[in-house]
This record gives sequence, structure tokens and C-alpha cells, in this order.
Amino acid sequence: SQQGEEDPQALSIQEGENATMNCSYKTSINNLQWYRQNSGRGLVHLILIRSNEREKHSGRLRVTLDTSKKSSSLLITASRAADTASYFCATDPFSSNTGKLIFGQGTTLQVKP
Amino acid sequence: DSGVTQTPKHLITATGQRVTLRCSPRSGDLSVYWYQQSLDQGLQFLIQYYNGEERAKGNILERFSAQQFPDLHSELNLSSLELGDSALYFCASSPGLATPLHFGNGTRLTVT
Repeated sequence: SQQGEEDPQALSIQEGENATMNCSYKTSINNLQWYRQNSGRGLVHLILIRSNEREKHSGRLRVTLDTSKKSSSLLITASRAADTASYFCATDPFSSNTGKLIFGQGTTLQVKP
Repeated sequence: DSGVTQTPKHLITATGQRVTLRCSPRSGDLSVYWYQQSLDQGLQFLIQYYNGEERAKGNILERFSAQQFPDLHSELNLSSLELGDSALYFCASSPGLATPLHFGNGTRLTVT
């Protein structure tokens, strides 16, 4: 079964607005990662946050992690039309010790120019 | 460009057939992962190899098998294909464990 559940499933915003996506997971993790997928293409790694970190920034991206609630959020600030894509959270389960990632179902983001 | 190469890009075949998908990881990456992406199941982890050895197994059917060769490229073999096997198959690689994955652009398999 999927480790991560994402919310919302789809999000449509105007260029310049902020986009927030949420991810919940079920088991203890080593880290949580966010990936982006343009239609029909491979996934691209965006950011990794370790289980002992609470917040991380990378350019216009801000990720938070709450291990007590087993949840994470991805904030994209000042969105651009080029940010239109699907965004996936992925967890590296603590019990795994392999590096394999379990992906959520993803959030489809549409940014209108 | 992620540096991960998958061939072929598209594959159309009939039910009951067997196909082989190929993946060349990024230079220096020891770990290779295979994922299946379909509309109803999302991204499902199939199998992982690390430096030639199977490291983890996920929701991989018995009709599917994989291997990683000494030059670290990997192949995913799908046999007795069914309509439901139609999906995007992704290969990803990473230098070690607990590091970000680098994905290829996938092989789109259509079973008719």
C-alpha cells in the first residue's frame, strides 16, 4: 500500500500565488523527499528533509516536516506557469534500510498565466 | 537530463508476450530501482539492486524479473503480459542508500 497520501489531489492557482501541498504518511521514516513530474516525463528530485529536521528551504520551495503528526507540506512561493506539474512526496521508511522510496499519489498543480 | 537512460521509450506488444526494458544508471551510481506508474495504482516500487545484488523487493509480480549486470546496467523482464501491465516503467538510480533518486524518462508499455 502507499505510504504517503497527498492533499489536495489537484490544485489550480494564478501565477504569482503560493501553492501548498500536504503529505501524510504511516510509518517512521529516515527522510521525506519531494519530487516533481512533468507530464509523461521522469520524476525530478526537489528537496529532501531528514526526520530530525523541521523545515527546509530551497529557492522558492519551503518544506516542513512534523514527525509527531506524520505529515509534511510543500510550499511553492510566487508560482510560475512553468511550475505546472505533478508533485509527489516520497518516504524512506525507517525499517527499510535500503533507500527505496514509497511515493504518494501526487498533487497535480496547474498554474495559470 | 538526469543521466539515467531507459530504452526503449515506447513499446507496444500483445498479451502473452515477453519484453525486456533496459536501464543505464548515472555514472558512478551503484543502486538501481524500478517503479511502475499507472493511473489507478500510482507509483509502485518493484525492485532494487545495489552493486549487482538484489536489495529490496516490492510489489513485483512473479511474471516479472530483473537483474543488474557487472557494468551496473539493469534489465526488467516482463513475461506473459496482460492488459493490466500497460503502464510507464521507470528506472531510477542513486549513488548509495538514503540519497535522492535520479529518474529516467521511462518506458511506456502498451499491451494490446
